[in-house]
Amino acid sequence: EAGVVQSPRYKIIEKKQPVAFWCNPISGHNTLYWYRQNLGQGPELLIRYENEEAVDDSQLPKDRFSAERLKGVDSTLKIQPAELGDSAVYLCASSPVGGVATEAFFGQGTRLTVV
Amino acid sequence: RKEVEQDPGPFNVPEGATVAFNCTYSNSASQSFFWYRQDCRKEPKLLMSVYSSGNEDGRFTAQLNRASQYISLLIRDSKLSDSATYLCVVNALSGSARQLTFGSGTQLTVLP
Repeated sequence: EAGVVQSPRYKIIEKKQPVAFWCNPISGHNTLYWYRQNLGQGPELLIRYENEEAVDDSQLPKDRFSAERLKGVDSTLKIQPAELGDSAVYLCASSPVGGVATEAFFGQGTRLTVV
Repeated sequence: RKEVEQDPGPFNVPEGATVAFNCTYSNSASQSFFWYRQDCRKEPKLLMSVYSSGNEDGRFTAQLNRASQYISLLIRDSKLSDSATYLCVVNALSGSARQLTFGSGTQLTVLP
């Protein structure tokens, strides 16, 4: 079974440019997360979806970040415009529907460098 | 105060050593607990869940103390392949949302 697929793996952009990341979760997983991980830190939640509904986006910087999960499957995360401080690894994860004891499965991430 | 706190290390230990990592969490409503492992430039992967009674998986033992809001991971007979960052993860309900919160990770290097 395929795992969580993310693209692109790497992205280098100039500041003020837009960028988008794509995620395809594990088939049948209703919960999808976007995390940001800075060097030497743990992943920090940006947004969580249950099917197509964003149920927790309190940590998403809404002035420049947006996300969508049309049809409750694939998801995209967009930054416009990007800033130098946005350089990080953006991780997508998914979980099957269930209670709080459910494991999250991660994709390989997109490493963003803003120059 | 961070919701999940870990000693960042690094821990440098010889092969065969026993090493223990600690983690504290601030949200008393936390309901489930995990240790994830993250290799350099890779994604985090579940190592083991942590149960109230404590649980063991081979050389790895996880303990939970709800009263003290404390989680531990013990690795016995360390192998070179155990070198990685170990992330403490706590899952709590916040309102209607389930939040999976990660610590900053503890870096382990096992030396030959």
